[in-house]
Amino acid sequence: RKEVEQDPGPFNVPEGATVAFNCTYSNSASQSFFWYRQDCRKEPKLLMSVYSSGNEDGRFTAQLNRASQYISLLIRDSKLSDSATYLCVVNPREITGFQKLVFGTGTRLLVSP
Amino acid sequence: IAGITQAPTSQILAAGRRMTLRCTQDMRHNAMYWYRQDLGLGLRLIHYSNTAGTTGKGEVPDGYSVSRANTDDFPLTLASAVPSQTSVYFCASSDSGSNNEQFFGPGTRLTVL
Repeated sequence: RKEVEQDPGPFNVPEGATVAFNCTYSNSASQSFFWYRQDCRKEPKLLMSVYSSGNEDGRFTAQLNRASQYISLLIRDSKLSDSATYLCVVNPREITGFQKLVFGTGTRLLVSP
Repeated sequence: IAGITQAPTSQILAAGRRMTLRCTQDMRHNAMYWYRQDLGLGLRLIHYSNTAGTTGKGEVPDGYSVSRANTDDFPLTLASAVPSQTSVYFCASSDSGSNNEQFFGPGTRLTVL
């Protein structure tokens, strides 16, 4: 079983739609969780961290369910510019001074006019 | 320099040749990382360094070496390139602390023939 699993998609949605991605992780002791965004042929960039209580940043909402070991990302009112690959990222354990992140393979989102 | 840079942008290399990928950051981050990204496999950690003078092996270190002589630079060397090392290579850095964002360079596209 992969440490971090995502549906590769693509998710094809019209502008204005709401879309949700889920991600599961295998290590129950994992401490930190993130969503990164990667545009085609570009580097990954942090979209948002995921906190136990859930967090929202504008149109984006991230949720963590530790009991079921999954993370979700909800995008409301999708824009054309949201088209990208969304990477689910987990930090399996705390190591002082740096992160040893595990990346999912990504979920591709295509938003059409 | 602003952020993290990588050189070259792309390279075609004959098998058996030696190649060094360069990475420089100006954010004074203690931790630096090298990843490779392959279709269907996501980002995989090759080597990392949590501070100048120390390095560690990641998930796929074989065939690669790194050095960390100072805070800013973290070169990745392929001693004798093989076709399976054809990939996109990303360098990243982060500040101390397990919840801190990793910043990625623009990547190097390497083709080994």
